[in-house]
Amino acid sequence: DTGVSQDPRHKITKRGQNVTFRCDPISEHNRLYWYRQTLGQGPEFLTYFQNEAQLEKSRLLSDRFSAERPKGSFSTLEIQRTEQGDSAMYLCASSADGRTGFEKLFFGSGTQLSVL
Amino acid sequence: SQKIEQNSEALNIQEGKTATLTCNYTNYSPAYLQWYRQDPGRGPVFLLLIRENEKEKRKERLKVTFDTTLKQSLFHITASQPADSATYLCALESGGYQKVTFGTGTKLQVIP
Repeated sequence: DTGVSQDPRHKITKRGQNVTFRCDPISEHNRLYWYRQTLGQGPEFLTYFQNEAQLEKSRLLSDRFSAERPKGSFSTLEIQRTEQGDSAMYLCASSADGRTGFEKLFFGSGTQLSVL
Repeated sequence: SQKIEQNSEALNIQEGKTATLTCNYTNYSPAYLQWYRQDPGRGPVFLLLIRENEKEKRKERLKVTFDTTLKQSLFHITASQPADSATYLCALESGGYQKVTFGTGTKLQVIP
């Protein structure tokens, strides 16, 4: 069990550029979440996958954001035409599909995005 | 509107004392509530989960209470240590698809 890994750890980009982040969840976990966190705030929910199906998407996620999870394994989060307001830590989490309906979330260390 | 509120100001406490953090929520009916710890530059780490039919849960020096009438959870760290210094987040189940929503977090500083 290597935990949830995210790549890259840091990304600096210019406004208007596209960026893509990758998340590799714990291998047996079928649930995957993306959150965004700014300084002094808690993580904000962005989207959620059960296997390869994207089941919920926050209204915070404009149409410049897209997430995929092909084959229910790793996931990517793409931001097109980045804006300075997109600067944040992007966190990925995964969990197992527990019989009780909930299992704890395991988070990666996040990707810190800076848009100049 | 839905809100999850935690003390926005940092909590400073002397080593050895009990730290108590508060989480209040509005317009949620969560089946469970969780607490996570977050260190700077890292993702949150799960600490405890308490269900709506449980009043109290303990794990080592940690204790969580859950009052669904008051819509409040209290998180206690007894015999606090400088290594307990971190931001503590409460989180609620908030949707049919296991959506988990986080509060803003409270930064705890334990002073030696």
